Amino acid sequence: SAVISQKPSRDICQRGTSLTIQCQVDSQVTMMFWYRQQPGQSLTLIATANQGSEATYESGFVIDKFPISRPNLTFSTLTVSNMSPEDSSIYLCSVPGQSGNTIYFGEGSWLTVV
Amino acid sequence: GENVEQHPSTLSVQEGDSAVIKCTYSDSASNYFPWYKQELGKGPQLIIDIRSNVGEKKDQRIAVTLNKTAKHFSLHITETQPEDSAVYFCAASGGQRRSYDKVIFGPGTSLSVIP
Repeated sequence: SAVISQKPSRDICQRGTSLTIQCQVDSQVTMMFWYRQQPGQSLTLIATANQGSEATYESGFVIDKFPISRPNLTFSTLTVSNMSPEDSSIYLCSVPGQSGNTIYFGEGSWLTVV
Repeated sequence: GENVEQHPSTLSVQEGDSAVIKCTYSDSASNYFPWYKQELGKGPQLIIDIRSNVGEKKDQRIAVTLNKTAKHFSLHITETQPEDSAVYFCAASGGQRRSYDKVIFGPGTSLSVIP
C-alpha cells in the first residue's frame, strides 16, 4: 500500500481562523479522498480531490468551507475555513489501492478548535 | 444511497476468547466489504476485505463472512489478544461506477480485550 503522510498531525486552532492540512503520497494516484471523523464517530467523506479539475464534494460539504487543492498526482491540501468548535475532528486523507477497490488512510490530522 | 449498520457498538471479551462484529448494508449493488482497525491516535488500517463473489475469507486469527442474500457480513477474531483492542469499522462500496468512489462506513465497534 502507498505511504500517506499528513501535516499537521495535531493542532489547536482559534475560532474564526483557517487551517490547511497537507497530504503527501509516495506514489502517483488518480484520486485522493478527504474524510472527517468527529469525536467518537465514524468516517464521513468530505470530497474527492481530482488532479486537474475541481474537487467533488459530498452532500453537506461546500467548497467555501473546505477548499481543496490537488496540484499534482502525489499531493493535496484541505483547508478548514472560519473554524468553529464543531469543526474539531480528525481529518483523514486516503488514496485507492492498486486493486482499485481498497482505500488506505493516512494517520490523520487531529484538530481542536477553541 | 448505501447505509451500513454495525453491532455491537462496544464489545468486551476475555483474552483468548473470540469476538464477532456484525454489519448489514442496504445497497444490493455493493460488492466490496473492507474492515478497518483504528487504534487510539492513529488512522484506520485495513485488516481484511471480502468481495461479493466470495462467502468467507481468513487471515490467521481474523475471518470475514458474507451473506449477500441477507446483505450482512461479519468479522470474527479468534484467540483475542490485548493488542486487538481498538475500534473496528466495517464498510461497503461498489454500488457506484467505481468501487472506491463511495466507501460507506459503519458507526464502529469499540473492542476491549481484557487480560
